[in-house]
Amino acid sequence: KAGVTQTPRYLIKTRGQQVTLSCSPISGHRSVSWYQQTPGQGLQFLFEYFSETQRNKGNFPGRFSGRQFSNSRSEMNVSTLELGDSALYLCASSITIPGQGHNEQFFGPGTRLTVL
Amino acid sequence: GNSVTQMEGPVTLSEEAFLTINCTYTATGYPSLFWYVQYPGEGLQLLLKATKADDKGSNKGFEATYRKETTSFHLEKGSVQVSDSAVYFCALYYYNQGGKLIFGQGTELSVKP
Repeated sequence: KAGVTQTPRYLIKTRGQQVTLSCSPISGHRSVSWYQQTPGQGLQFLFEYFSETQRNKGNFPGRFSGRQFSNSRSEMNVSTLELGDSALYLCASSITIPGQGHNEQFFGPGTRLTVL
Repeated sequence: GNSVTQMEGPVTLSEEAFLTINCTYTATGYPSLFWYVQYPGEGLQLLLKATKADDKGSNKGFEATYRKETTSFHLEKGSVQVSDSAVYFCALYYYNQGGKLIFGQGTELSVKP
């Protein structure tokens, strides 16, 4: 069974640009979560989608947005990039229906975003 | 609010040494607890988990026990290998908060031959 895939793996952008990252969950998984990983702040939750609906959101500015498609694939978008957005963005998928037991998450390899 | 605190790294050990990485949490109710491992250049992999008090999670020689009285979930391994070198993350999760895992800051482990 294929794991969680994320594209692209590496990305370089300049301040003020916008970026879109993609995540394909494990087949059959309907929940997709996104995390930002930086040396200073560690791993922080961005948002979670289930059945094309955002179910939970972390404490990030509105420049960070996401969506989920009917095939469970998800994208996240960051507009007006800032230097501080440089990070590893991790996507995780799970099969468990939210609210019905613990939610084992399987992570992708991440997208390394560098903002110059 | 809910939070996870791990011992600071890096932790450097010789092969076959005993490993303990401390993890304590602050939370209301009964969260599930996890240890994830991140190898260089890769995403996170679930190492082990415990969903209720006194549960012991174990995998690949690693183990951790959910101690509600001390709000701890320390990771242990009796004999580490060079291949165990990685960053280890302790995390908690509430089933009624969707996909939100709350992570500790991570502890880097380096095992020398």
